[in-house]
Amino acid sequence: GQNIDQPTEMTATEGAIVQINCTYQTSGFNGLFWYQQHAGEAPTFLSYNVLDGLEEKGRFSSFLSRSKGYSYLLLKELQMKDSASYLCALTYDPGAGSYQLTFGKGTKLSVIP
Amino acid sequence: GAGVSQTPSNKVTEKGKYVELRCDPISGHTALYWYRQSLGQGPEFLIYFQGTGAADDSGLPNDRFFAVRPEGSVSTLKIQRTERGDSAVYLCASSSPSGTGYNEQFFGPGTRLTVL
Repeated sequence: GQNIDQPTEMTATEGAIVQINCTYQTSGFNGLFWYQQHAGEAPTFLSYNVLDGLEEKGRFSSFLSRSKGYSYLLLKELQMKDSASYLCALTYDPGAGSYQLTFGKGTKLSVIP
Repeated sequence: GAGVSQTPSNKVTEKGKYVELRCDPISGHTALYWYRQSLGQGPEFLIYFQGTGAADDSGLPNDRFFAVRPEGSVSTLKIQRTERGDSAVYLCASSSPSGTGYNEQFFGPGTRLTVL
């Protein structure tokens, strides 16, 4: 089985940096995704990590430690439009080739002026 | 548009009724997924299609739920004898499988189902 934990809510100030943590337990691992979801909208892809280390993509970076079952998403130079839910998701193939996603409950980030 | 589309965007039905939710994936994507998202939760996997066949339906909660993809493109999720607990947003996603864990799924806007 799989279990994913992430904080429910976070608040940060416009222009600042925020780190959203995700810890997980899983019986099989093929990678970890971060998705962004604005209220009432579809999740959109932010990043993918399969090896340990940091992946940087503009204002967004994601880190993975497989031995610790830990990832974080780092958002720099926060903008008001970054207010959204951030979903940590594991991808795993149970044998059917599905690589289905198992999501955490999401972290609702509020960016304040 | 070239994204995943879902219809209807909203569906209100009465307990016990039958509903169909439609998903039109990105052209050329052979993999199609259905997820269900309840309020305050992350999406929960329901079923996966590779082409026309349901390769993994382990997430379907019970036999009231069924999905088809007869021509390997559009998919329909069918729910019989709806219950109030079925109320949720039903998300469809498609991807072009790489055969590895890097399988970026593109999500549609969802169908918000409300069972009264």
